[in-house]
Amino acid sequence: GQQLNQSPQSMFIQEGEDVSMNCTSSSIFNTWLWYKQEPGEGPVLLIALYKAGELTSNGRLTAQFGITRKDSFLNISASIPSDVGIYFCAGRKGGGSQGNLIFGKGTKLSVKP
Amino acid sequence: SAVISQKPSRDICQRGTSLTIQCQVDSQVTMMFWYRQQPGQSLTLIATANQGSEATYESGFVIDKFPISRPNLTFSTLTVSNMSPEDSSIYLCSVEVWGLDTIYFGEGSWLTVV
Repeated sequence: GQQLNQSPQSMFIQEGEDVSMNCTSSSIFNTWLWYKQEPGEGPVLLIALYKAGELTSNGRLTAQFGITRKDSFLNISASIPSDVGIYFCAGRKGGGSQGNLIFGKGTKLSVKP
Repeated sequence: SAVISQKPSRDICQRGTSLTIQCQVDSQVTMMFWYRQQPGQSLTLIATANQGSEATYESGFVIDKFPISRPNLTFSTLTVSNMSPEDSSIYLCSVEVWGLDTIYFGEGSWLTVV
């Protein structure tokens, strides 16, 4: 099925550094969601974006819904060891029969103390 | 948000057997979905669980292999039938909570088929 293009695939960074990852698509989405998955757990919702151009923060996390509605980015500032995990972007075209999510392949984040 | 409980959380299954996974939500939800996540991969939608009617399956997934029930607004089951090692995956229940345009996930059911 359709997937979003998420990059980078993996990142190895030093504690304290900022992180940036993004997702692009050839299709328009009405909602962009960012999830984090840690080993042995299901994805946990980090940020939800509903309007083109929207910029939303959640603590050290900031995400934006692209103006074209075909892309989104997630930034993490001043990374800490507990930021380790796999981050997934997901797009949603609408509700009802269009309500399912389409996922990126994930960005695996490793943080060196 | 919503609290989503999945059972079993983890199981080791014999080839050829079937296993039913349960998903219970603590609040009214509009939509329920079942996803599969193969080792090291992203999430793939299996089907949308429809209350009181047959589930809507995605391409590559069929009812005989993955029968789904949703008898009410807050409960659904997914059965993985006639399992083979290729079915070893995490199976995730997800929901859209009434009034919120977003999707939440359960913690997943980790199945290993031997």
